[in-house]
Amino acid sequence: AQKVTQAQTEISVVEKEDVTLDCVYETRDTTYYLFWYKQPPSGELVFLIRRNSFDEQNEISGRYSWNFQKSTSSFNFTITASQVVDSAVYFCAFRSYNTDKLIFGTGTRLQVFP
Amino acid sequence: DAGITQSPRHKVTETGTPVTLRCHQTENHRYMYWYRQDPGHGLRLIHYSYGVKDTDKGEVSDGYSVSRSKTEDFLLTLESATSSQTSVYFCAIRGPDSYEQYFGPGTRLTVT
Repeated sequence: AQKVTQAQTEISVVEKEDVTLDCVYETRDTTYYLFWYKQPPSGELVFLIRRNSFDEQNEISGRYSWNFQKSTSSFNFTITASQVVDSAVYFCAFRSYNTDKLIFGTGTRLQVFP
Repeated sequence: DAGITQSPRHKVTETGTPVTLRCHQTENHRYMYWYRQDPGHGLRLIHYSYGVKDTDKGEVSDGYSVSRSKTEDFLLTLESATSSQTSVYFCAIRGPDSYEQYFGPGTRLTVT
């Protein structure tokens, strides 16, 4: 069975610190997709990134970067120089190639203090 | 903005009453989904649709039914609401050529 684990329930940092959110997944499939979503205090879910299993290249978007490692089944998310606006719950999600069902982790609440 | 609206946005209802939540999209997407969000569980798929009148069950479908008579509308019905169905419900869509899902603003449902 597929599973997504976000072991960090809550993380608190001070502004300008770097922070990494961990995501570990379990699957026997060789083709799959991984996602990160952000849920700010206002409650909406915002899509951040998708990664295909056959593409292990890391991605950087401004202060955000993602490290995908198939060898450890991990898809970690790093925020560099965190800001108060980064405060949110972040969800990692998994989808196998042959299904339409997204499996979410339980989320990591990030609090960035000024 | 994926053009998704949900109604109502908030609802309080009593145990045993029927409740219908509506998801409406304006961009003619084929795939639509209903999730519920609960503390400690993340989001869990209830039902999804891959076209008009084509639906399938998700992970937590017991106590819920869905209908899709038009491309733009996906309805979630709780036939007889229970307190365990108190949750935030999110609708999502996926375009035919994309892998990611985009979410509506959510409906907070409280069953007393």
